Amino acid sequence: GQQLNQSPQSMFIQEGEDVSMNCTSSSIFNTWLWYKQDPGEGPVLLIALYKAGELTSNGRLTAQFGITRKDSFLNISASIPSDVGIYFCAGLPPQQGGKLIFGQGTELSVKP
Amino acid sequence: DAGVIQSPRHEVTEMGQEVTLRCKPISGHNSLFWYRQTMMRGLELLIYFNNNVPIDDSGMPEDRFSAKMPNASFSTLKIQPSEPRDSAVYFCASTLRAGNSYEQYFGPGTRLTVT
Repeated sequence: GQQLNQSPQSMFIQEGEDVSMNCTSSSIFNTWLWYKQDPGEGPVLLIALYKAGELTSNGRLTAQFGITRKDSFLNISASIPSDVGIYFCAGLPPQQGGKLIFGQGTELSVKP
Repeated sequence: DAGVIQSPRHEVTEMGQEVTLRCKPISGHNSLFWYRQTMMRGLELLIYFNNNVPIDDSGMPEDRFSAKMPNASFSTLKIQPSEPRDSAVYFCASTLRAGNSYEQYFGPGTRLTVT
C-alpha cells in the first residue's frame, strides 16, 4: 500500500528557532493534513491543504502542498515550549474514500 | 461545540475479557473512523463508516475485533476475547464528507491495557 516517509523522526531545538519537517511519498495525494499530538491526547488538526502548490498559514505554522503532489512540508517559526509534541502528516490518496495515510510522526522537543 | 467523545479514557482488563470502547462523533459528521496507535506501528486505521455503514474493515486485525454504528451519534469497538497484544491507545475520529473536505477530528482516545 501507499506509504508516507516523514522526517526527521525527532528534533531537539532551542526556543526561538525555526522548525521544518516534511513528508514524501512515491505516489500522489489529493489532500495533505498536518496534526499535532500532545501526550495523552488525540491528534489535533493544524492545517489542511487541498491543491498542489497551496501554501497555508495558521499563526506561526506554515504548510505547503508540493507541486508534484507527492510531498508536503510544515514550518514552525520562532518555536516556543508549548510547540513540544508529535507532529503527523496525513495524506489522502486518490479514490480511497476517506482513508488517510499517516506518517510516522516527528517528535519535537524545545529547550527554553 | 463538543468534539469527539470517547469512553472510557482508560481501561485495564485481564486477558480473555470482553472490552467495549465507545465513541460519539461530532454532531452532523457523517463519517467515523476507528484507529489504533502503538509505538511500534504508529496510527493504524481499523475500520471506517460512512452514513453508519461500514465501508472498509480491512484494518481490523482479526475476528476478535468488531465494530458497530447503530446510529449517527454512536459507535462501539468491541474486542472479545482480549489479549495482551491488544494493549494500545484506540482513537475515534469523525469528519463531514462534503465536497473535498476530508478533515478528520480525533477524540481523546481510550488507553487499553490487557494484562
